Amino acid sequence: EVELVESGGGLVQPGGSRRLSCEASGFTFSSYEMSWVRQAPGKGLEWVSYISRGGSDIFYADSVKGRFTVSRDNAKNSLYLQMNSLRADDTAVYYCARVPAPSPPDVWGQGTTVTVSS
Amino acid sequence: DIQMTQSPSSLSASVGDRVTITCRASQGIKNDLGWYQQNPGKAPKRLIFAASSLQSGVPSRFSGSGFGTEFTLTISSLQPEDFATYYCLQYNSFPHTFGQGTKLEIK
Repeated sequence: EVELVESGGGLVQPGGSRRLSCEASGFTFSSYEMSWVRQAPGKGLEWVSYISRGGSDIFYADSVKGRFTVSRDNAKNSLYLQMNSLRADDTAVYYCARVPAPSPPDVWGQGTTVTVSS
Repeated sequence: DIQMTQSPSSLSASVGDRVTITCRASQGIKNDLGWYQQNPGKAPKRLIFAASSLQSGVPSRFSGSGFGTEFTLTISSLQPEDFATYYCLQYNSFPHTFGQGTKLEIK
């Protein structure tokens, strides 16, 4: 079964850091691009970042550029999102998603919640 | 960046109704558009990709159309399980962008 499982969410203080992980199973992880998408409480979906299969091509939303870093370890079937200088408006459920380029994300994890608050 | 304007933001309809949701792109995106359904507390589910291609396993009452800047998602005969929130997503260029969402409610 194709599955994505996020972890690493929790409560973090403003200005703090957090690293999210997404573990893939049931498919050849290295053959797919990956994305992170978030959803603030009661709000819509916001695309956050993208990483190519080998990690050489990376893109970010303007709202996180310079603060967030996406990476992957194909040997571990894992995707990561390092989040620094966190702000209250980064509070959201963070989803990782499989990207069968040139199509849009087709498989999503269940999400992990990050709350930025003092 | 490409802006996606989705309308309406909410819609009340009855079981059996035909409904249409629209997304407009601020510039041409060919057919690089997907539609997603999201239920409360759940991850989004892909319904349509490439503007009009139906995701495997999605009922045929869902259909998508459009090219360039204007796109529509149509549900031909609403079923109880279709009451959810719908989003469009452009993936023509980075940053990818979602529409604001359409909440479909039971009348």
